[in-house]
Amino acid sequence: KAGVTQTPRYLIKTRGQQVTLSCSPISGHRSVSWYQQTPGQGLQFLFEYFSETQRNKGNFPGRFSGRQFSNSRSEMNVSTLELGDSALYLCASAPQGVPDTQYFGPGTRLTVL
Amino acid sequence: AQSVTQLGSHVSVSEGALVLLRCNYSSSVPPYLFWYVQYPNQGLQLLLKYTSAATLVKGINGFEAEFKKSETSFHLTKPSAHMSDAAEYFCAVSEDNAGNMLTFGGGTRLMVKP
Repeated sequence: KAGVTQTPRYLIKTRGQQVTLSCSPISGHRSVSWYQQTPGQGLQFLFEYFSETQRNKGNFPGRFSGRQFSNSRSEMNVSTLELGDSALYLCASAPQGVPDTQYFGPGTRLTVL
Repeated sequence: AQSVTQLGSHVSVSEGALVLLRCNYSSSVPPYLFWYVQYPNQGLQLLLKYTSAATLVKGINGFEAEFKKSETSFHLTKPSAHMSDAAEYFCAVSEDNAGNMLTFGGGTRLMVKP
């Protein structure tokens, strides 16, 4: 099976812009989670989607949003970008199970100038 | 909220030496615990997970971890380090029962000297 894919791999934006990142999960996986990784804050959970519904949400401002499509592909959007949003954004997908095991994609490196 | 503490942001060992990466967690309920490895410019790869089936968990690449409830620890070990083990290692605890909402420790960068 193909792994989790994320596009684009690298992105450069300027402050105030918005950005959309895409994640395609492993075939058959219905849960998709997003994480932000920065040198200062480490890895932080953003949100999780399951069957097109947001099931869990981390402690991030409303500028961060996401959605999941019927084919389980997911997008996350960040509006009004700030310098502090520069990070590696990781997507993970999981099959159903208790507990689920998350399989991570390579990430999208976002740089905000 | 649950939390994870990884003692030592950098650990250096010689090739062939024992690897010990420390992880302590706080949780009000029996947790699900995970160790992930991250190589440069890559995502996270699961090494092993604890799901209460056995306290000693064996993972990939010769790694194993022991769950000690009395110490709230889940330390990662490998008897003999290899150069290819050089990477960053993350311990994580699940915030929800399904394991889909992970809280990560700060990470430990493992360096292996020849």
